[in-house]
Amino acid sequence: NAGVTQTPKFRILKIGQSMTLQCAQDMNHNYMYWYRQDPGMGLKLIYYSVGAGITDKGEVPNGYNVSRSTTEDFPLRLELAAPSQTSVYFCASSYPSGTSYYEQYFGPGTRLTVT
Amino acid sequence: AQSVTQPDIHITVSEGASLELRCNYSYGATPYLFWYVQSPGQGLQLLLKYFSGDTLVQGIKGFEAEFKRSQSSFNLRKPSVHWSDAAEYFCAVGALVYSGGGADGLTFGKGTHLIIQP
Repeated sequence: NAGVTQTPKFRILKIGQSMTLQCAQDMNHNYMYWYRQDPGMGLKLIYYSVGAGITDKGEVPNGYNVSRSTTEDFPLRLELAAPSQTSVYFCASSYPSGTSYYEQYFGPGTRLTVT
Repeated sequence: AQSVTQPDIHITVSEGASLELRCNYSYGATPYLFWYVQSPGQGLQLLLKYFSGDTLVQGIKGFEAEFKRSQSSFNLRKPSVHWSDAAEYFCAVGALVYSGGGADGLTFGKGTHLIIQP
């Protein structure tokens, strides 16, 4: 299994440009998540999905959109890039484990710079 | 809303010495607690987790953590650190955000940067 994969690894955007960060998992996990990591700030949840066709906002959703058409893929869309979106983005997925909390597995991250 | 505090931004430890990283949480119900490690330029790797039961949990790479409900703490320990332990360590609490079942969405602390001196 490749686990959680993210593309691209790095990207530089100009203000106002758009892009899609790709995330895929091959573990048949129902839940998927997008986090952003800013220096010295830990990770914050942007959006999450509990299955194909079902998404919801996390703590910091403004400026982003998501879709979930398949179990495997969970792309994150930036429509009008702003410098405040310069960050490292992590995708994660989780599965039912018999407990009431689902353990999350993280991808390697995408480092995005908006100038 | 839940929160996680890691009081130490940086910690420097000599190789072979013991280590304790502090984590305090705020959560209204029984917490699900985690420690993750992030090496430079890498994603997050789960070290250990606490769901219920024994308050002392063992993880990978020789780490352990103790859940203390009375102190709202979940401190990470290792008896003897290795140079390869130098990394960023994050404590996190899991929160139920989806009413359909299952907890999801981790709230992270700001991290503790561990430096190992030779």
